Amino acid sequence: AQKVTQAQTEISVVEKEDVTLDCVYETRDTTYYLFWYKQPPSGELVFLIRRNSFDEQNEISGRYSWNFQKSTSSFNFTITASQVVDSAVYFCALSERYNTDKLIFGTGTRLQVFP
Amino acid sequence: AAGVIQSPRHLIKEKRETATLKCYPIPRHDTVYWYQQGPGQDPQFLISFYEKMQSDKGSIPDRFSAQQFSDYHSELNMSSLELGDSALYFCASSFDSGQGLSYEQYFGPGTRLTVT
Repeated sequence: AQKVTQAQTEISVVEKEDVTLDCVYETRDTTYYLFWYKQPPSGELVFLIRRNSFDEQNEISGRYSWNFQKSTSSFNFTITASQVVDSAVYFCALSERYNTDKLIFGTGTRLQVFP
Repeated sequence: AAGVIQSPRHLIKEKRETATLKCYPIPRHDTVYWYQQGPGQDPQFLISFYEKMQSDKGSIPDRFSAQQFSDYHSELNMSSLELGDSALYFCASSFDSGQGLSYEQYFGPGTRLTVT
């Protein structure tokens, strides 16, 4: 069965601290896709990154970086030098291409960055 | 760049009433998804359409129906509304190349439905 686990319900940091959001997934398929979405207080869901199961290269985009490890079924997200504007709920999601592209979301991690 | 458009943005209905939510995907996107997000919860998949045909169905109540039209916009129809239907309803769109690739889903701003 497909499942995404975000064990951290809420994280609070002070500006400029680095913070890592954990994501662990379960799937029986060999072909799958992992995503991170940001949901700021305004409510919209903002796409951050998509990773397919064949690409384990880590990715860096500005202050954001992602670490994908198939051996541990994890797809962690790190924000370097956090800013107040990073405060949001972050969702990790999984889709399996075999049947459908529907997204299975984790329960989300609420990040609060204090000045 | 054009984004997914949802209307209305806010909707207040009474129990047992009917609601229709509309979604206009990003131009050239051929796949539309509907998700429901209850307060403090993660988005839950309801239903999806590819090229105007239903492609998958999640935990969508029988009181809800949806379709995708020839111009690719989609409508989610909700009847006999219940208090528990109060939620944020997202529409997302993506492009299916038909080559076994899963493209990212871009979400609209959502429609906040309140049932009183």
